Amino acid sequence: EAGVAQSPRYKIIEKRQSVAFWCNPISGHATLYWYQQILGQGPKLLIQFQNNGVVDDSQLPKDRFSAERLKGVDSTLKIQPAKLEDSAVYLCASSSTGDTQYFGPGTRLTVL
Amino acid sequence: DQQVKQNSPSLSVQEGRISILNCDYTNSMFDYFLWYKKYPAEGPTFLISISSIKDKNEDGRFTVFLNKSAKHLSLHIVPSQPGDSAVYFCAASDPFTGNQFYFGTGTSLTVIP
Repeated sequence: EAGVAQSPRYKIIEKRQSVAFWCNPISGHATLYWYQQILGQGPKLLIQFQNNGVVDDSQLPKDRFSAERLKGVDSTLKIQPAKLEDSAVYLCASSSTGDTQYFGPGTRLTVL
Repeated sequence: DQQVKQNSPSLSVQEGRISILNCDYTNSMFDYFLWYKKYPAEGPTFLISISSIKDKNEDGRFTVFLNKSAKHLSLHIVPSQPGDSAVYFCAASDPFTGNQFYFGTGTSLTVIP
C-alpha cells in the first residue's frame, strides 16, 4: 500500500512570495490533515478535511494560508504572501478511522 | 498553550538497556494516546497507541503505560537498539474536537552501541 505522498520535498522562497504544497493521501482515507512543524516543536494542526469538507481550520492563519481538497482525494496548501516565520516543515497526514494518522515525508520550507 | 508536554528534549541510553520516554498532558478529556517515531528528513511514523480505558499496551519491544490520574504516559523500549535512535513524539486525541491530535515537542533518543 502506497503511503502519503507530498511534493515538493524542499522549497526555498523569499518573503512575500507565494508557495504551494501538494499532498496525496493513502487511498481510501477520508480524513486529511495539514500540520506545521517548526524546528524544535511538535507538529501543529493547521487544517483537517473530511472528504472535501473542512472539519477544523481554527489554527490556519487565513489571511495568508489557504487549503483545498476539491475532489476529496489530494489536497493543496498555499501560502501567500510568505513571511519569515513560515519557515517550517509542512506535514500532510491521512486517516481512515481517525484513530491513527499516517504522515507523509513533509515539505521543508525556507523563507529568506 | 501546550496541552501535551515532553520535558526531556534528549535521552541517551546504552544498547541493550531500557529507554523510558515520558509525556504529560493537561486535558482530562483526551481519550487516545499515541507515540510516533521520526527519523531526520522523514515524516513521523506511528509506533504504538493506547486507549484511555487501558493502562498498558505492548507491541514487541515497545510498551506504553498510561496513568490517567497523573495525566502521564510513558514509552518503554526494551532492549534498546541503535536503530531506535530517533525523535519520539507523543500525541493525544481529543474526541470533542474531531479527534484532533495534540503533539508534544519530542524527545531525541540516542542509543549508544
